[in-house]
Amino acid sequence: SQQGEEDPQALSIQEGENATMNCSYKTSINNLQWYRQNSGRGLVHLILIRSNEREKHSGRLRVTLDTSKKSSSLLITASRAADTASYFCATDAVAGSARQLTFGSGTQLTVLP
Amino acid sequence: EAGVAQSPRYKIIEKRQSVAFWCNPISGHATLYWYQQILGQGPKLLIQFQNNGVVDDSQLPKDRFSAERLKGVDSTLKIQPAKLEDSAVYLCASGLMGLETQYFGPGTRLLVL
Repeated sequence: SQQGEEDPQALSIQEGENATMNCSYKTSINNLQWYRQNSGRGLVHLILIRSNEREKHSGRLRVTLDTSKKSSSLLITASRAADTASYFCATDAVAGSARQLTFGSGTQLTVLP
Repeated sequence: EAGVAQSPRYKIIEKRQSVAFWCNPISGHATLYWYQQILGQGPKLLIQFQNNGVVDDSQLPKDRFSAERLKGVDSTLKIQPAKLEDSAVYLCASGLMGLETQYFGPGTRLLVL
């Protein structure tokens, strides 16, 4: 089952604009991670935010986490055409007897030049 | 540092045939994961190894899927017999001890006809 659900499913913006993607999840988590996937490629880790953190920055990326609302957002500032990709949130939580990373269904971001 | 290697990159088979995928993780990574990613969805964990032991295989369809990680390094994932619904990208990922950042290979795209 998919623990995290991204919103929107697809987003199209102009180069230079900011892109915001949201992720909601259902259970308690150890941390939440965001990954990027270019078409036909594997996933690349972008950023990890722990359950006791509220905000984290990495270059043009800003992630927030609200554990009371079980939600996270990823903001990409000053977007570039090269940011075109699918973005997935993944929650690190116990599922059954082991910790698992569970991915959402992703947001397809298109940045138009 | 070399990344996660996977082969083959593409495979087309007919239903009821068998197929095997190979993964070579990043040197020194104790944990290895196999994911199935169906088109338009996020990756779904099939099996997790730590060294050569299975940590979690609760989502592996064991009637047709099997995986092994001999000597705690390379891993193979096998499907026998394949069904149409097995058409997907099979991703291998590795990581250091603990469930933090995962490093993904490029994946094997399987088409079952």
